[in-house]
This record gives sequence, C-alpha cells and structure tokens, in this order.
Amino acid sequence: DARVTQTPRHKVTEMGQEVTMRCQPILGHNTVFWYRQTMMQGLELLAYFRNRAPLDDSGMPKDRFSAEMPDATLATLKIQPSEPRDSAVYFCASAAGHNTGELFFGEGSRLTVL
Amino acid sequence: AQSVAQPEDQVNVAEGNPLTVKCTYSVSGNPYLFWYVQYPNRGLQFLLKYITGDNLVKGSYGFEAEFNKSQTSFHLKKPSALVSDSALYFCAVRDLSGGGADGLTFGKGTHLIIQP
Repeated sequence: DARVTQTPRHKVTEMGQEVTMRCQPILGHNTVFWYRQTMMQGLELLAYFRNRAPLDDSGMPKDRFSAEMPDATLATLKIQPSEPRDSAVYFCASAAGHNTGELFFGEGSRLTVL
Repeated sequence: AQSVAQPEDQVNVAEGNPLTVKCTYSVSGNPYLFWYVQYPNRGLQFLLKYITGDNLVKGSYGFEAEFNKSQTSFHLKKPSALVSDSALYFCAVRDLSGGGADGLTFGKGTHLIIQP
C-alpha cells in the first residue's frame, strides 16, 4: 500500500531550537509539496518540488525556513530558529508526473514550539 | 490569483438525509476543482475532481459534486449521509492558466457532523 511517510509525527521543542521534518514521497511520484495547517490560516502551501528542483517557495518564511530534496526519496523541511508561531501541523504531499491535482498526503508532523 | 471560499464552518445533517457542503471559487482561467476529506489526526484524502466534461462528478464513498460555471460553485453532495461521513472537508482549486503552478489552493474547510 503506497503512502507518503512523514517523521516525526509529533515534536515538542523550545523556542530557538532547530526542527527538521522529513518526508518520503510515494515511489515514482516526482512532485512533492509542503503544506502547513493551522486553525487560523487553514492550509497554506509553503513550497513544492518537481524532479527534486524547487519550483515555488514563496509561501515560506525565508529567514528561518528551508526546504530541500537531497534525493528522490527524501524531502526535508527545516526551521531554524523555531518560534512559537511556527506551531502547526506540517503536511507533505506527493503527486505523479501528470499531476492533474490528485495529491497524496502524509499523516502530518505536529509541531509545538514552547 | 486563485481562491476558494467555503462559507460554512460547520454543517449538521441527520443520518440518512441528503447533505451539501458548499464551495465557490475564483480563478482567472479555467479551473481544476477538488474535494478532499480529513479525518481527525490524519492527512487529507482525495475524494473527487473536476477537470473537464460532465458537470456532475462522482467520487469516493458515494460523494458527488456539481460544477456550475455561471455560479463559480462546486458543491459537494451525498444523497444519504452516514455517521462515518463526519469529518473536515476541503474544497481546492488549481488555475489551469497558472503558468505551471501546481500547488492547490484550499478553502478553510467545513466540519461535517452527521447526527445519528
């Protein structure tokens, strides 16, 4: 059963600490998205990649957030330094090459910054 | 810019009754439209999509949605609600004229509560 895998599922950290979230997309999917979900803002697109190249990261705070795809099986989202306002659920999603918009989401990483 | 509005934060329906979850959209070109469902502590799951063709789209779990271009709407419907349909539902849009932009824009979500 192919699925998107995200780690960690839960993370509690203190303000100022570095946080790294990881995502393994579905094998063969070449487009990877990072979304953030909060009660106030709903789902926000942070960044996305196609064939490991970043295509859009305009939704991401550049000073503290960074997203990479070291290889086709791993996407990372890093926050350094973290702040309480970063507390949210971060979702990774992947899509196949033709990308008619059917995204496959992971279970999410719930981040709490104290 | 593209946007989606889900005017209802919550919809309450008795089990067995028909349900409708509303969605309106705004895009500069032709839209791809989607519905996703999220169960507690889970990721979003694809339900159905409209790209072209028949305005009535059928999807998973007995759900369907009707594309109405003149009203810029894409309401989600089901003839007979089940308690297990209770979840958070998201409408999403992608603008076909977006110059290659692939990210979906999601609405704020509507909590659907089916009462036994």
